Amino acid sequence: DTGVSQDPRHKITKRGQNVTFRCDPISEHNRLYWYRQTLGQGPEFLTYFQNEAQLEKSRLLSDRFSAERPKGSFSTLEIQRTEQGDSAMYLCASSLVWGKNTEAFFGQGTRLTVV
Amino acid sequence: SQQGEEDPQALSIQEGENATMNCSYKTSINNLQWYRQNSGRGLVHLILIRSNEREKHSGRLRVTLDTSKKSSSLLITASRAADTASYFCATVRDGTASKLTFGTGTRLQVTL
Repeated sequence: DTGVSQDPRHKITKRGQNVTFRCDPISEHNRLYWYRQTLGQGPEFLTYFQNEAQLEKSRLLSDRFSAERPKGSFSTLEIQRTEQGDSAMYLCASSLVWGKNTEAFFGQGTRLTVV
Repeated sequence: SQQGEEDPQALSIQEGENATMNCSYKTSINNLQWYRQNSGRGLVHLILIRSNEREKHSGRLRVTLDTSKKSSSLLITASRAADTASYFCATVRDGTASKLTFGTGTRLQVTL
């Protein structure tokens, strides 16, 4: 499968625990995005990387959230001290930047439930 | 925050009928994209229309864009049960590194 893959697909955690999600983008894609989607809403932008550099973070990304893309390939998103409000689907997308009109390819998402 | 809204929020039609979804947005854009999302799954890219284009076709899909009204529509012709999904429009503004700003989505149900 050469698409964007995310792991795990589902995560249930107790409030206060830390969780980490992984995203493997399409191999030649240099840009990687994280979005969060709550029930009944469209996805909302969290952060993006150009190669290994994190170039923008949304105000939604509190200091409990950290994302990395150490070698410009896979990325991790960590949430520390989880809260019930963190329950959502976390989506990763990648794209190959060749101009202004770029298509993003999404993974299947990681559904987080904080109990 | 969401860029805009989609209308209707939910749409139920019978197989073979056409489905039209509308999207409104708030700011000037570089392009607008439509995505489909099956329940609990990731998003699938359907079509991209640039700000200087007015209409685009892809198979059974037809997208229009009216930048003066800041609106777009997605038409699915001859719908099938497999088209049942949520449909989202997403805009890209100039200078935003192709960051997508999504609407609230239209939930389409196609019945046999």
